[in-house]
Amino acid sequence: DGGITQSPKYLFRKEGQNVTLSCEQNLNHDAMYWYRQDPGQGLRLIYYSQIVNDFQKGDIAEGYSVSREKKESFPLTVTSAQKNPTAFYLCASSVTRDRGIGYTFGSGTRLTVV
Amino acid sequence: GDSVTQMEGPVTLSEEAFLTINCTYTATGYPSLFWYVQYPGEGLQLLLKATKADDKGSNKGFEATYRKETTSFHLEKGSVQVSDSAVYFCALSPRSNYQLIWGAGTKLIIKP
Repeated sequence: DGGITQSPKYLFRKEGQNVTLSCEQNLNHDAMYWYRQDPGQGLRLIYYSQIVNDFQKGDIAEGYSVSREKKESFPLTVTSAQKNPTAFYLCASSVTRDRGIGYTFGSGTRLTVV
Repeated sequence: GDSVTQMEGPVTLSEEAFLTINCTYTATGYPSLFWYVQYPGEGLQLLLKATKADDKGSNKGFEATYRKETTSFHLEKGSVQVSDSAVYFCALSPRSNYQLIWGAGTKLIIKP
């Protein structure tokens, strides 16, 4: 079955470290997204990509970086410049040809600074 | 710009009660409308959708009707269960592109 796989499910980061969250999809979707969710809060867009080798900043890109070298993969790096990275991170994907389909989400990665 | 407004939570109900979660939107033209559900510790799942005025989306006993005249897409269920406890997100896909604009989410708590 097609879907999105996020790994790891739980991740612990020490102060000053960079960490990378993985997101892989086998849905043949063109667009991919990263969202941050804080406890009791909604979704905030970090980065999105509509095509391989291209991506755009979302509302809260500072302290994060991404790459899109393959259609299937959209990893997110949380850098040491992100001062408050503890949150739940969600990856999603979608087609770009049909706006009536919506997004497919992964199961999320919970990042904790220790 | 385009936007989605949901009723604030948490919404607390007893089992078997009737549920309504309000969602209104601002958009030009005819957006597509969605409801997503997020169970604790999980990602979001598409619950239902509607792509044109007067369409009714339905799934798992939940329903929502696309009302162009009131710019609304309220989520309803006739008899809720404890297992329906989750956060519900309303979203729209504007006429101009495929990207979703999200409401803030409404937390639903069902007590036995």
